[in-house]
Amino acid sequence: DTAVSQTPKYLVTQMGNDKSIKCEQNLGHDTMYWYKQDSKKFLKIMFSYNNKELIINETVPNRFSPKSPDKAHLNLHINSLELGDSAVYFCASSLLGSGEQYFGPGTRLTVT
Amino acid sequence: AQSVAQPEDQVNVAEGNPLTVKCTYSVSGNPYLFWYVQYPNRGLQFLLKYITGDNLVKGSYGFEAEFNKSQTSFHLKKPSALVSDSALYFCAVRALSGGSYIPTFGRGTSLIVHP
Repeated sequence: DTAVSQTPKYLVTQMGNDKSIKCEQNLGHDTMYWYKQDSKKFLKIMFSYNNKELIINETVPNRFSPKSPDKAHLNLHINSLELGDSAVYFCASSLLGSGEQYFGPGTRLTVT
Repeated sequence: AQSVAQPEDQVNVAEGNPLTVKCTYSVSGNPYLFWYVQYPNRGLQFLLKYITGDNLVKGSYGFEAEFNKSQTSFHLKKPSALVSDSALYFCAVRALSGGSYIPTFGRGTSLIVHP
C-alpha cells in the first residue's frame, strides 16, 4: 500500500515540450505539496494545496501549473520545458495541523 | 522570513559512536521543527518533530532531537551510529508566513557512518 505515489518515475523529454506529473495519496491528508530538488539536493517548495485550494505559490515560473482535482490528487503540468527544469520533483502530503509531511518517491525529469 | 541552517555539509562518524547533526533556525513566532532522512534515489522520510512540550523529542530508528529555544537550535542525535544510518538528513521549520504555513528546509547534511 503506497502512501504517496507519483507517475512517472522517470521523464526524459526535449526542450519546448509540455509534460505532466501525477501524484496521489491514500493517507486521508488534506494538504499536498510539490517540491523541486536540484542537483545539489537543495529542496525548494513550489506549491501547496489544502482541500483543493492553492495556499502556497512560491516564485515559480508560470510555465508550471498545479491542479488538484480532489484532496487525494495533485498534478503538475509544465509547459515549454527548459534545460533548467531538469531536477527531481517530489510530491508530499500532510495534515495541515500536524505538519509532518509524507513524500512520494520522486520524478526525475531530464530535459535535453 | 524564516530560515533553516545546517552548518555541516557532511558529518563523518564511526559505527557505534554517538552522532550529532546540527540545525539552527530563524522564525518569528513559535516554530514547528522537523527532521527528515533521504536515502539514495528515495523520497524524504519523516523522523521526528517538535511542536511544544518536552524539549527532547524521540523519533524513528533510535534518533532524538533537542529543542533549545535560547540557541534557536534543533540538533539531531543518536547514541550509537549504524552504517545503515548513512544518508542525507534535512532539518525543516514550519511557521506562519503571510497567512500560510510555509515549510522551509535546510540544505541537508550528508551523514557517513564508517564501519
